[in-house]
Amino acid sequence: GDSVTQMEGPVTLSEEACLTINCTYTATGYPSLFWYVQYPGEGLQLLLKATKADDKGSNKGFEATYRKETTSFHLEKGSVQVSDSAVYFCALLRGGADGLTFGKGTHLIIQP
Amino acid sequence: EAQVTQNPRYLITVTGKKLTVTCSQNMNHEYMSWYRQDPGLGLRQIYYSMNVEVTDKGDVPEGYKVSRKEKRNFPLILESPSPNQTSLYFCASSLIPLGRNTEAFFGQGTRLTVV
Repeated sequence: GDSVTQMEGPVTLSEEACLTINCTYTATGYPSLFWYVQYPGEGLQLLLKATKADDKGSNKGFEATYRKETTSFHLEKGSVQVSDSAVYFCALLRGGADGLTFGKGTHLIIQP
Repeated sequence: EAQVTQNPRYLITVTGKKLTVTCSQNMNHEYMSWYRQDPGLGLRQIYYSMNVEVTDKGDVPEGYKVSRKEKRNFPLILESPSPNQTSLYFCASSLIPLGRNTEAFFGQGTRLTVV
């Protein structure tokens, strides 16, 4: 069945460092891909998405490109801030009405 | 303000005591779903509903029930809670079954502890 694999955390970085969180997927067909962010004590919020191959989603300085050839959707940011500390989930949209399949989440900690 | 509201936010209960976690959305969304979040497992879907009176099982439905009598509400029912249902629960809704141009909105979560 469909699945999402993302790097385990926690990932600890200093402020202004470059960030990459890896995400790969297994799915039939061409799913839509998403990154959700969960700030402490809050629900999930959509960060960005891409709906077809080679699409680039971007928001709040984060980017991710839908790579069909490598079945990947890595999250990147050039300069992270303390406020980016959160748990990040990669997800894909399954066909029909089944909803989202999530990765296990990556806890990102940014130190001043 | 568009939102998904869950209640309660925190709940501690005892094994076997029936409980209901409520979920309400004010966006007139047809599609609603419940997830549980556990360390090392991410989010797993429990049940979903495409519209009023239409519900279906997700990946981990055992021990749970849902109902969808009104479009805005989608309560999660634990008839006889057990400790392995201790988890963080999220309700989500979207305008149509999640598609390429839609977004899922999540509630703030309900942290349930069953002792």
